[in-house]
Amino acid sequence: ETGVTQTPRHLVMGMTNKKSLKCEQHLGHNAMYWYKQSAKKPLELMFVYNFKEQTENNSVPSRFSPECPNSSHLFLHLHTLQPEDSALYLCASSQAGTSNQPQHFGDGTRLSIL
Amino acid sequence: LAKTTQPISMDSYEGQEVNITCSHNNIATNDYITWYQQFPSQGPRFIIQGYKTKVTNEVASLFIPADRKSSTLSLPRVSLSDTAVYYCLVAPNQAGTALIFGKGTTLSVSS
Repeated sequence: ETGVTQTPRHLVMGMTNKKSLKCEQHLGHNAMYWYKQSAKKPLELMFVYNFKEQTENNSVPSRFSPECPNSSHLFLHLHTLQPEDSALYLCASSQAGTSNQPQHFGDGTRLSIL
Repeated sequence: LAKTTQPISMDSYEGQEVNITCSHNNIATNDYITWYQQFPSQGPRFIIQGYKTKVTNEVASLFIPADRKSSTLSLPRVSLSDTAVYYCLVAPNQAGTALIFGKGTTLSVSS
């Protein structure tokens, strides 16, 4: 149990579908992140939220739309995805402060685009 | 963010000590060195973090020389369950800092 819960764990969708990935952290953190991990590739940062405000968008296509309604929840809305978007999508959270505060990751959503 | 270089893969046997070295020549004054472990189909897990000298916890030790241009993760007496990808990251210790993951080191432990 990492304190970061992602749902669903697996998702299969067609290119014209609309779906959402959900992330919830129970750690009291105030920063949340979305990462993408494709097969045989390093993790790629997608979005960063600090205190519910988006502070970084790493040139992500508009078919991915993040939402952070509060500091405990993060969503990734998916629309008109492409086959190359099939990947493991990871959510992470961390706590602001001057002491050592690493990022805590969920176990991801395995997304397959048909 | 400082770029890191680490071996692509390493092999070991159960019970051995494994040392994985990471180079980060352009590390900045306010950067910390953090190591993560990742098993297949799981998110990365924090192992250890340090700024200088030596840090030890229940699972690993981290050795950082005075110039901080490299670091070594030491795993004592590895077991089969330590087979995973290990990532070395260098970044400021601030919330909201984007972590740049490289390809990591794939450690394979055999019996």
